[in-house]
Amino acid sequence: DADVTQTPRNRITKTGKRIMLECSQTKGHDRMYWYRQDPGLGLRLIYYSFDVKDINKGEISDGYSVSRQAQAKFSLSLESAIPNQTALYFCATSDRGTYYNEQFFGPGTRLTVL
Amino acid sequence: LAKTTQPISMDSYEGQEVNITCSHNNIATNDYITWYQQFPSQGPRFIIQGYKTKVTNEVASLFIPADRKSSTLSLPRVSLSDTAVYYCLVVPSGGYQKVTFGIGTKLQVIP
Repeated sequence: DADVTQTPRNRITKTGKRIMLECSQTKGHDRMYWYRQDPGLGLRLIYYSFDVKDINKGEISDGYSVSRQAQAKFSLSLESAIPNQTALYFCATSDRGTYYNEQFFGPGTRLTVL
Repeated sequence: LAKTTQPISMDSYEGQEVNITCSHNNIATNDYITWYQQFPSQGPRFIIQGYKTKVTNEVASLFIPADRKSSTLSLPRVSLSDTAVYYCLVVPSGGYQKVTFGIGTKLQVIP
């Protein structure tokens, strides 16, 4: 089983709809992240969380919100989706206090907003 | 945070060694140089990380000169399956919260 899972894997929605993307991890990591990737571009950080009670905005948080329901679960919401939020969304996790500071990514959610 | 610069694309024939160089002129003392690989429609995957000199694992080698202002990822004897985008990152010891994944280097391996 994958260590970092994302649901749904693909979603098509309409402008103005509320959408939730979910991420779960079995790695036992404290830190979780949400990124978006647009064609031909790198990944941009939306939100990150260092533990259940610690949530922080990233580079491009406008139009998004998150919820850290448990150490293993981190959800991303688009309150009112718009077409320029069409992108590939990745969840990632990392541990703290390790020498090799590695992020583990989920398989991604492809979101299309019409 | 240190900005990185790497070539946008590279081509290589199968079986050759590929070297991708990244510059990070304003790297800080507590920063680690880290490389990721990304295949289309998949999340990035960690390849290697180093602080100075040379690091080698089963996938790649990372060469870092003494001034740490650049680094070179070396992929030995590439195959078609190594076709991917490679990201060079400078990661502070405190974590990824302010790290930027740029557009990376798109490596195309040719038969």
